Amino acid sequence: GAGVSQSPRYKVAKRGQDVALRCDPISGHVSLFWYQQALGQGPEFLTYFQNEAQLDKSGLPSDRFFAERPEGSVSTLKIQRTQQEDSAVYLCASSLDAGIGQPQHFGDGTRLSIL
Amino acid sequence: QKEVEQDPGPLSVPEGAIVSLNCTYSNSAFQYFMWYRQYSRKGPELLMYTYSSGNKEDGRFTAQVDKSSKYISLFIRDSQPSDSATYLCAMSARPGTSGTYKYIFGTGTRLKVLA
Repeated sequence: GAGVSQSPRYKVAKRGQDVALRCDPISGHVSLFWYQQALGQGPEFLTYFQNEAQLDKSGLPSDRFFAERPEGSVSTLKIQRTQQEDSAVYLCASSLDAGIGQPQHFGDGTRLSIL
Repeated sequence: QKEVEQDPGPLSVPEGAIVSLNCTYSNSAFQYFMWYRQYSRKGPELLMYTYSSGNKEDGRFTAQVDKSSKYISLFIRDSQPSDSATYLCAMSARPGTSGTYKYIFGTGTRLKVLA
């Protein structure tokens, strides 16, 4: 597709359940980023991949959060044992090559609600 | 104190007005400056991307960066009701050992252009 695609668009889960969020980046984009956006706030960085390598996971809030990009294209963000504070919009972004400061292009996000 | 400060608004202006949106920052290492527009329940859409200080114009939009004052601006000329959205500033520095051009976002300014 032409843009970054995320699925599902909406996810409701009960506290304690595991969830998996998917990101399809723009074809050919080397770099992939995950951000978390709370209501009324700007996105906050979670983690970064260059191809299949996870080079920075400094923004992941706890060890319940796990991300992977095994073949260097599609990425999955997994949250285990979800808590209410995990409720947010999770945004994925990709760029042609972040190594030279290329701009990031965002998907429409997955809106996660934990009951 | 946050690394990037942005007035959340809301900012209401009449159609045709010139809109000025601003962000201040504290990290002198920031070199890349972006403005994104975000409509409700959508992902951030890249409007302007600038490197270092100076002005950049694209249609009705002008971005200004003043690194000496650590201040960036986005001007929208001839504003339209369709410009009503949240405007996010974002910045990044040259990466360290992780190679991450992660973005640091402001909280976003809600703009409403009245017909």
